[in-house]
Amino acid sequence: KAGVTQTPRYLIKTRGQQVTLSCSPISGHRSVSWYQQTPGQGLQFLFEYFSETQRNKGNFPGRFSGRQFSNSRSEMNVSTLELGDSALYLCASSLLDNEQFFGPGTRLTVL
Amino acid sequence: QQPVQSPQAVILREGEDAVINCSSSKALYSVHWYRQKHGEAPVFLMILLKGGEQKGHDKISASFNEKKQQSSLYLTASQLSYSGTYFCGTDGRYSSASKIIFGSGTRLSIRP
Repeated sequence: KAGVTQTPRYLIKTRGQQVTLSCSPISGHRSVSWYQQTPGQGLQFLFEYFSETQRNKGNFPGRFSGRQFSNSRSEMNVSTLELGDSALYLCASSLLDNEQFFGPGTRLTVL
Repeated sequence: QQPVQSPQAVILREGEDAVINCSSSKALYSVHWYRQKHGEAPVFLMILLKGGEQKGHDKISASFNEKKQQSSLYLTASQLSYSGTYFCGTDGRYSSASKIIFGSGTRLSIRP
């Protein structure tokens, strides 16, 4: 069974631009969660989608948004990028709200 | 709401034991433990549901004290492969929605 895939793996943007990251969960998994990981901050929860609906949202500004499609694939968008948005963005999928399977992440660098 | 992990870092020699603690200020439904090796994605170790259960995974085990809102991860006779950052994730839900909040991690280094 294929694991969680994320595209692109690396991204370089400049301040003010916007970016869209993609996540394909494991087949059959309907829950997709997004996390931001920065050195010293651990894994910060962004949001979670289940069956195309956002079920939970973390404490991030409205510049961070996401969506989920009918095939469970998910995208997250960050508008008006700031230097502090540089981070590893991880998505994780789960089947029954228990074990989360993480993708390799997208490393975003904002210049 | 972020759980507090301690210690932040620990260095061991191969074969030594370690305990990593995770505590929350909120009532917990479950506690998750993950390990992340450098440059890799976090990997699931185990999940503990409320009820004070204890689980084991090879020489890694964990306990969950629901009343104290605490969990501890025990690594016995540590191996070099145990090196990495360990994260606890807490889930305080009492509905069908899951929202796992992770601690800032404990960096474990095993020396030969």
